[in-house]
Amino acid sequence: LAKTTQPISMDSYEGQEVNITCSHNNIATNDYITWYQQFPSQGPRFIIQGYKTKVTNEVASLFIPADRKSSTLSLPRVSLSDTAVYYCLVGGEYGNKLVFGAGTILRVKS
Amino acid sequence: DGGITQSPKYLFRKEGQNVTLSCEQNLNHDAMYWYRQDPGQGLRLIYYSQIVNDFQKGDIAEGYSVSREKKESFPLTVTSAQKNPTAFYLCASSSRGTHQETQYFGPGTRLLVL
Repeated sequence: LAKTTQPISMDSYEGQEVNITCSHNNIATNDYITWYQQFPSQGPRFIIQGYKTKVTNEVASLFIPADRKSSTLSLPRVSLSDTAVYYCLVGGEYGNKLVFGAGTILRVKS
Repeated sequence: DGGITQSPKYLFRKEGQNVTLSCEQNLNHDAMYWYRQDPGQGLRLIYYSQIVNDFQKGDIAEGYSVSREKKESFPLTVTSAQKNPTAFYLCASSSRGTHQETQYFGPGTRLLVL
């Protein structure tokens, strides 16, 4: 399973765009990149998933360069409620284990 | 309203006692998972099941047991052999999607030792 590396923590202010980058140098050809969000004492929640280039949904964008060795989660105009831990995962072929790292603690300040 | 439920929200265990955490899903998902989360840490996989009557050990299965008699249910028993059971336990389920799987998580059970 490909290992991921993320910053331990990031700080931002309300209304700013936040970009969290994840490194996954050993990503396999069939692997997808998935991001989850977790609030304290809750289960993680799926945010976005992609394979290459750019994916956008109602809450975030995911940018994946051509070599796929990294990915960037972009949160537009964050609010205080976006304060959470964000996990980058690689792999996830059905039935295979997902490996959650320590994630990135995002703190949004007013 | 589809989703995953876990009960209880808080559970207290005495020394030498086995306790069982409940996980139920009505999403019609084939696969179910149990994770353990310690403070400030990521999730670690305890057991997972891809189909009824079958389950596999995860990375930290020692001291835990599971059963999968029904598609909707995947209870986790924390046995007395688990010497450090205090943690936040999360259950998840997933389906084989168009791309790769997405896991849906329950609200969690916090286990404390008396």
